[in-house]
Amino acid sequence: NAGVTQTPKFRVLKTGQSMTLLCAQDMNHEYMYWYRQDPGMGLRLIHYSVGEGTTAKGEVPDGYNVSRLKKQNFLLGLESAAPSQTSVYFCASSLRGGVQYFGAGTRLSVL
Amino acid sequence: AQSVTQLGSHVSVSEGALVLLRCNYSSSVPPYLFWYVQYPNQGLHLLLKYTTGATLVKGINGFEAEFKKSETSFHLTKPSAHMSDAAEYFCAVCHSGTYKYIFGTGTRLKVLA
Repeated sequence: NAGVTQTPKFRVLKTGQSMTLLCAQDMNHEYMYWYRQDPGMGLRLIHYSVGEGTTAKGEVPDGYNVSRLKKQNFLLGLESAAPSQTSVYFCASSLRGGVQYFGAGTRLSVL
Repeated sequence: AQSVTQLGSHVSVSEGALVLLRCNYSSSVPPYLFWYVQYPNQGLHLLLKYTTGATLVKGINGFEAEFKKSETSFHLTKPSAHMSDAAEYFCAVCHSGTYKYIFGTGTRLKVLA
């Protein structure tokens, strides 16, 4: 039982490049989330999904897109990376109103 | 609107001393409450949670928290700090039946030898 797995763990991009972050969970959770963590700002919700095929915007969605084609996977895309997107990205999954389980994070630097 | 306030972005305690990390929330109805811990270069891990019932909740590693509705607080305590407790701690709230979790900005705990 791996829980929540994020790939890659580290990535360096140049401004304007694109990339996709993958999140996979094996707990059969309906809800999945993408957060970014920046110093002094806690966790901010980017996008979330309440089930396969559904996604919705969170607090800071601009510059990101997501897809949930399979229940166990939640992808976060950056179409044209900007230095402001340098951050640590966390994926989480949960049952409704339950404990959130987090991945280990992806550290992204945009130069 | 819901909000979570963690007083003190940095807290230092001596090894063996009491740990007290403060969390206050703003909500029109009692929410579900959580404390998570984050060690360096890791994701967040659940310490404890309150949903309903007994207001004093015990978690892992000797931590506990008490839900006080009248004070809208959910402070985290541990009687005796250990060096391994050094980490960042996050308080979070959500309402039953919703997707949305609100996290505080975190408190970094330093334990002095």
